[in-house]
Amino acid sequence: EPEVTQTPSHQVTQMGQEVILRCVPISNHLYFYWYRQILGQKVEFLVSFYNNEISEKSEIFDDQFSVERPDGSNFTLKIRSTKLEDSAMYFCASSGVGGRGTEAFFGQGTRLTVV
Amino acid sequence: AQSVTQLDSQVPVFEEAPVELRCNYSSSVSVYLFWYVQYPNQGLQLLLKYLSGSTLVKGINGFEAEFNKSQTSFHLRKPSVHISDTAEYFCAVIISGNTGKLIFGQGTTLQVKP
Repeated sequence: EPEVTQTPSHQVTQMGQEVILRCVPISNHLYFYWYRQILGQKVEFLVSFYNNEISEKSEIFDDQFSVERPDGSNFTLKIRSTKLEDSAMYFCASSGVGGRGTEAFFGQGTRLTVV
Repeated sequence: AQSVTQLDSQVPVFEEAPVELRCNYSSSVSVYLFWYVQYPNQGLQLLLKYLSGSTLVKGINGFEAEFNKSQTSFHLRKPSVHISDTAEYFCAVIISGNTGKLIFGQGTTLQVKP
């Protein structure tokens, strides 16, 4: 069964460092998403990406964040200068046809710890 | 603004008992509704979804949910739970016509006891 894969599963980084979280969405999907879940809190939308550009982003997704689809398979989230409050589980998701309620498939997540 | 409220943060229940996890949403436009489950140290897995049609939807693992438009609710039910159902359950909506962004509730921890 096709699945979304994320690497690494756990990343520890020092405050101020740049991190790149990687995702391989399901191959024939068109919409890609990043969400985050701070420990004990709900899952929050960060950004959606379609046709090689951001289609929507949340208030959380400020200039520190960027996304890229550098090739036909990877989808990355970069945090330029990490802060302690960026510590969270980051989930990548993809769906076939966004906006129509098609199921979004989620990866296992990357737990980012900023120290 | 759209929002999702899960009324119970934790629901303890004994094995083989029925369970209902409550979810209410707020939206001025039509929505699509979802329940996701998160097992410990795993990602989010879709349990079921409501897009249109019959208001009673059946999902995996014996779960079902009923969409009630007048009460803006989408409660999740299972007639008999197992220990293996212990997990975090998230209700979520997609606003019709947008980019497919999911808006999640706070989550409900289902604790099934032997």
